[in-house]
Amino acid sequence: EAGVAQSPRYKIIEKRQSVAFWCNPISGHATLYWYQQILGQGPKLLIQFQNNGVVDDSQLPKDRFSAERLKGVDSTLKIQPAKLEDSAVYLCASSLIRTSGYNEQFFGPGTRLTVL
Amino acid sequence: GNSVTQMEGPVTLSEEAFLTINCTYTATGYPSLFWYVQYPGEGLQLLLKATKADDKGSNKGFEATYRKETTSFHLEKGSVQVSDSAVYFCAQTSGTYKYIFGTGTRLKVLA
Repeated sequence: EAGVAQSPRYKIIEKRQSVAFWCNPISGHATLYWYQQILGQGPKLLIQFQNNGVVDDSQLPKDRFSAERLKGVDSTLKIQPAKLEDSAVYLCASSLIRTSGYNEQFFGPGTRLTVL
Repeated sequence: GNSVTQMEGPVTLSEEAFLTINCTYTATGYPSLFWYVQYPGEGLQLLLKATKADDKGSNKGFEATYRKETTSFHLEKGSVQVSDSAVYFCAQTSGTYKYIFGTGTRLKVLA
């Protein structure tokens, strides 16, 4: 079974530029997550989709970050304009829908963003 | 609010040494607890889990026991290998989806 795919793996941009990341979840996984992992910290949830609807975007800096999941499969996360503090690894994860218990989340390899 | 605290790294051990990585949590209610591992250049992978008090999760020689009385979920392995070198994350979820991760502990095992 193919895992969660992300691209690009690395990106270097200058501050105030724009950048976009792409994620393709595991086939059949209705739930998709974007996390930000700053060096030395654990992953922090930015946004969660269920199919193509947003379930939780409470920690997404909406003045500069946006995300979409058209057709309920692939997703893109965009930063416009980027700031130095956006330098981080951006992780995508996906899971099945569960109504109780826990969801095991499967993570992609991440995109390492460096903002100069 | 809910949180996860794990020991600072890096932890450097010789091959076949005993490993303990401490993890404690704060939560309202009874969360499920997890250890994830991140090998260099890869995403996080679920290592083991425990969903209720006194449960023991185990996988690949690693173990962790859900201790409600001490709000802990320490990771242990009796004999580490060089291939265990990675970053280990403790995490909790109190709902069906929202994970809270610790800051990670880097383990380096020397041959």
